[in-house]
Amino acid sequence: GQQVMQIPQYQHVQEGEDFTTYCNSSTTLSNIQWYKQRPGGHPVFLIQLVKSGEVKKQKRLTFQFGEAKKNSSLHITATQTTDVGTYFCAGLRTSYDKVIFGPGTSLSVIP
Amino acid sequence: DTEVTQTPKHLVMGMTNKKSLKCEQHMGHRAMYWYKQKAKKPPELMFVYSYEKLSINESVPSRFSPECPNSSLLNLHLHALQPEDSALYLCASSPRPLRASNEQYFGPGTRLTVT
Repeated sequence: GQQVMQIPQYQHVQEGEDFTTYCNSSTTLSNIQWYKQRPGGHPVFLIQLVKSGEVKKQKRLTFQFGEAKKNSSLHITATQTTDVGTYFCAGLRTSYDKVIFGPGTSLSVIP
Repeated sequence: DTEVTQTPKHLVMGMTNKKSLKCEQHMGHRAMYWYKQKAKKPPELMFVYSYEKLSINESVPSRFSPECPNSSLLNLHLHALQPEDSALYLCASSPRPLRASNEQYFGPGTRLTVT
C-alpha cells in the first residue's frame, strides 16, 4: 500500500539552530499537509501545499512541495523552545479518499 | 467558534463495559473523522463521515461503532474493548470532504484506558 515516510525520526537541536524534516511518499500525492503536535497535545494544522514545486513561508517556517509531488520538507530557521513537538506530514492520495500520515519527526530544542 | 470539543478527556473502562466518546464542532464542517493514536505514533484513521454518512471504515473491529446524529456531532460507541485498545482517540473535522480543501481540525482527544 501507499506509504509516507519521514526523516529523521528524532532531532535534537540547540536553540537558534535550524531544523529540517523531510517527507517522502511512495506515490504521487494530490496535496500535502503539515501538522504540529506538542507533547500531551493534539495535532494542529500548519499548512497545505497543492501545486508542484510550491513554497510557502510562515514566519520562521518554510514548506516545500516537490516537483513530482512525492516529497515535501519543513524547514525551521533559528529554532525556539516553542518549536518543540512532533511534526507530521500528511499526504492526500490522488484517489482523494483519505490522508496518509507520516510517522512524524520529534523535535527537541535545548535552551 | 473554531474548535472541536471532545468528552470525556479521560476514560477508564473494563473489558465488559459499554461507553461512548463524544465530539462536537460548530464550524459548519461537513466531514468528521475518528482517529486512534498510540504513544509516539501518528494518528491512525478509523472512520470518516461525509455529509453525515459513513464514507470510510478502515476495517475497524465491530467493538467500535461510530454514529453521526447530525452535522455537528460525532459519537464513538465502545463495547467489549481489549487492553490493546488503550490509546488517545482523536476526533477531527474538515470544511468539506477530502476532494476539496481538507485541512483537518483536531479535538483535544479522549485518553482511553481499558483494564
